[in-house]
Amino acid sequence: QQQVKQSPQSLIVQKGGISIINCAYENTAFDYFPWYQQFPGKGPALLIAIRPDVSEKKEGRFTISFNKSAKQFSLHIMDSQPGDSATYFCAASMYGGATNKLIFGTGTLLAVQP
Amino acid sequence: KAGVTQTPRYLIKTRGQQVTLSCSPISGHRSVSWYQQTPGQGLQFLFEYFSETQRNKGNFPGRFSGRQFSNSRSEMNVSTLELGDSALYLCASSGGYQVNTEAFFGQGTRLTVV
Repeated sequence: QQQVKQSPQSLIVQKGGISIINCAYENTAFDYFPWYQQFPGKGPALLIAIRPDVSEKKEGRFTISFNKSAKQFSLHIMDSQPGDSATYFCAASMYGGATNKLIFGTGTLLAVQP
Repeated sequence: KAGVTQTPRYLIKTRGQQVTLSCSPISGHRSVSWYQQTPGQGLQFLFEYFSETQRNKGNFPGRFSGRQFSNSRSEMNVSTLELGDSALYLCASSGGYQVNTEAFFGQGTRLTVV
């Protein structure tokens, strides 16, 4: 119940295309869902996050779509660029809980081809 | 504002030794969490400290321990190192009294056990 399932494991997209990464969770107590981007040799960097009171959040080319009833959320990268090539992790935690513990998905390695 | 600083960046230790890693959070942040990242297990939560108290602990053996100082800097210690402890150890900093504010990661300490 503490798991966050992420797919696909890897993704190849052409420059200018849309990259879509999906995550699913079981624990309905989760109510904070961030996405992180990680380049080789670096720590994860927070991209965008959403709480269940909204179904979509957009920041620049990055959009999170959230489906509370299906317990799924996804990251859409519009107009994907070679510089977006990185590993992306979804995560979940309990906003109302007494901890900042994040449960991470297994990661998606994105390659954007020029 | 300076980011999360982890030292050292790289460490090579021998099996059976112990190691101490350090994390300086973003100024004003009082929560520090530690994660282990490996290719096989992904990002796994080790523990979280808030105001010098351990607030949550992951499923790791007692060889993994940590502490937080009054200036919010944190250390984690691994005793009796095993080959399987080779990993990237990441520290995340979160701010204030409110839980589940944004978590910012350092660049990590790459530990190699030989």
